[in-house]
Formats: sequence, structure tokens, C-alpha cells
Amino acid sequence: DAMVIQNPRYQVTQFGKPVTLSCSQTLNHNVMYWYQQKSSQAPKLLFHYYDKDFNNEADTPDNFQSRRPNTSFCFLDIRSPGLGDAAMYLCATSREPPKVGAGNQPQHFGDGTRLSIL
Amino acid sequence: GQQLNQSPQSMFIQEGEDVSMNCTSSSIFNTWLWYKQEPGEGPVLLIALYKAGELTSNGRLTAQFGITRKDSFLNISASIPSDVGIYFCAGPPADSWGKFQFGAGTQVVVTP
Repeated sequence: DAMVIQNPRYQVTQFGKPVTLSCSQTLNHNVMYWYQQKSSQAPKLLFHYYDKDFNNEADTPDNFQSRRPNTSFCFLDIRSPGLGDAAMYLCATSREPPKVGAGNQPQHFGDGTRLSIL
Repeated sequence: GQQLNQSPQSMFIQEGEDVSMNCTSSSIFNTWLWYKQEPGEGPVLLIALYKAGELTSNGRLTAQFGITRKDSFLNISASIPSDVGIYFCAGPPADSWGKFQFGAGTQVVVTP
């Protein structure tokens, strides 16, 4: 089945030690998103790629970076994780980005990576 | 960031009861999406709505796109234990590009 796959499901890292989370998709969607979700909260958009165009949310810390080497893969790099970065990180895809004045394709989510900071 | 206003925050219901939740916004939406998220999993799309007034069902789930385009509701009929989870509304405001907003979620607990 076409899917959004995130690896690993659980990641433990040390305070300040760089960590990379990965996402792959077999949907051939143009857009890939990274969200941060803390307990009992809604997902918070960090950034998204429309094809190779990178779009950063204004309030996403500089500590968070992303790479999309090809259509299928997208990576989230956290350069110096702090305790406040412990969260579930969700990757999502959509065929097209949201458009003004038109119906929009839904986002399809992976199962997430739970990041813990020691 | 901005959020949709989703209510109620949580619901504790008995098996067999109906559940209703809604989302409102000060912005106009062209698409409303409803997701369910179970513990340790990513959100799963339940229903997508694309037109004002649209009423769409998916099994025991029914969702409507409000006429004003600023609200949507989701109903679950005859709840069963596997309906437990957090339900999120989501969508991109019509005046925003590339920005899906999410409601804060409604936690549903079903007791036998």
C-alpha cells in the first residue's frame, strides 16, 4: 500500500547531540510537511517542501533544519536538541499545497517519531 | 501558531451513544478535514469536505461543511470502544497559502 513511513518510531538522544529523523513516501506527492506535536496538543507545522522549494514557518527555531534530497524522502535535523524539543514529530504529504480559493488535497500522515531527550 | 476553535475538549460517553463535536474559525475555509489520532500513531484522515453545506458520511461518521464556511461538525453515531482517540479538525484558511491549521482536538473516551 502507498504510505508515509517514518523512521525510527522512537528516538532517544542526549541533550545537545544532533539527531536526524527520516520520512519516506510512496504516494509520489509533491508536498512534504514536518510537524511537532506535544502531549495533548494539536500538531504544529515546522516547515514544508513543495517539490524542492523550502518553506519555513516564522516561529520555527533555527535549531530545526530540513532536507529533501528527492521526491520520496525528507529529513528533519535537530542540530542541538534541548529538553523542550522532546515531542512526537509527524511527517505528512499532500499532492499539492493548499491553494487560495479552491478545494485542497488532504494531508496524509506517517505514524510519527517519538523523540526523547536525556 | 493559530488554531481552530474545537469543542468539546473531551467527551466521556457510554458505548452506543452518539458523539458530536465542532470546529469554528474567524476565517473562511475552502476545505475541512477531520482526522482521528490514536495513542502513539499519526493522524488518520476520516472525512474531507470541499463545499459549503456538504454533508459526507464514512460509516458511522458524518461531517458537515458549514454554510458560512467558518465551521464544521463531526458526528459519530452508536459509538463503540474502538472510537476512542483524539479527533482533530483541520484545513487551510482561504486567505492562507501552505498553512494547514489544526483544532486542539477532542478526546473521546467510550466506556462499555
